Amino acid sequence: NAGVTQTPKFQVLKTGQSMTLQCAQDMNHEYMSWYRQDPGMGLRLIHYSVGAGITDQGEVPNGYNVSRSTTEDFPLRLLSAAPSQTSVYFCVIGAANTEAFFGQGTRLTVV
Amino acid sequence: EDQVTQSPEALRLQEGESSSLNCSYTVSGLRGLFWYRQDPGKGPEFLFTLYSAGEEKEKERLKATLTKKESFLHITAPKPEDSATYLCAVRGGANSKLTFGKGITLSVRP
Repeated sequence: NAGVTQTPKFQVLKTGQSMTLQCAQDMNHEYMSWYRQDPGMGLRLIHYSVGAGITDQGEVPNGYNVSRSTTEDFPLRLLSAAPSQTSVYFCVIGAANTEAFFGQGTRLTVV
Repeated sequence: EDQVTQSPEALRLQEGESSSLNCSYTVSGLRGLFWYRQDPGKGPEFLFTLYSAGEEKEKERLKATLTKKESFLHITAPKPEDSATYLCAVRGGANSKLTFGKGITLSVRP
């Protein structure tokens, strides 16, 4: 996970609360993304960015917001948490033709 | 839309029993196929990148191969410590989006 810092590692939220998952990188990669991983569903893309100021939706974007004001940071915001958002979240970075690097993951529980 | 299908979903092997994991894919303009290993409670760990049909990569007991439609991860004489979930992903198109398969859970019995 060198070069990708994802926080927090664990979080418990109540339904309706908001929070931000942080992702920071020092590898100067243009591509940053957020995935959620659920049993039986695999890794599903939430949002991604190909550079500062550019973001786009992935497969499961509803209930999440992102912004990319700098190359280094790509926060994921949960606007009003729901139990269906209980999952493990990964920040993933990479360049066009290289492997992807994963953050350590955030285990989120919404009660 | 890019798609990745991995099979079987789960595989149980006896120590020393060689086998192969399959990753079938459809992608617009392949820019790379990746294999990862994931242990319980941890993030995926990078294993291999393959870029073009015919390419092969090896690391210890693992060997990855690539055709135009699928990739195989061959495991030779596996050991219990090879037990993990193995993920396949493709990157394609102009936006470099990564698409993952659901993974194959490998269990190696001593």
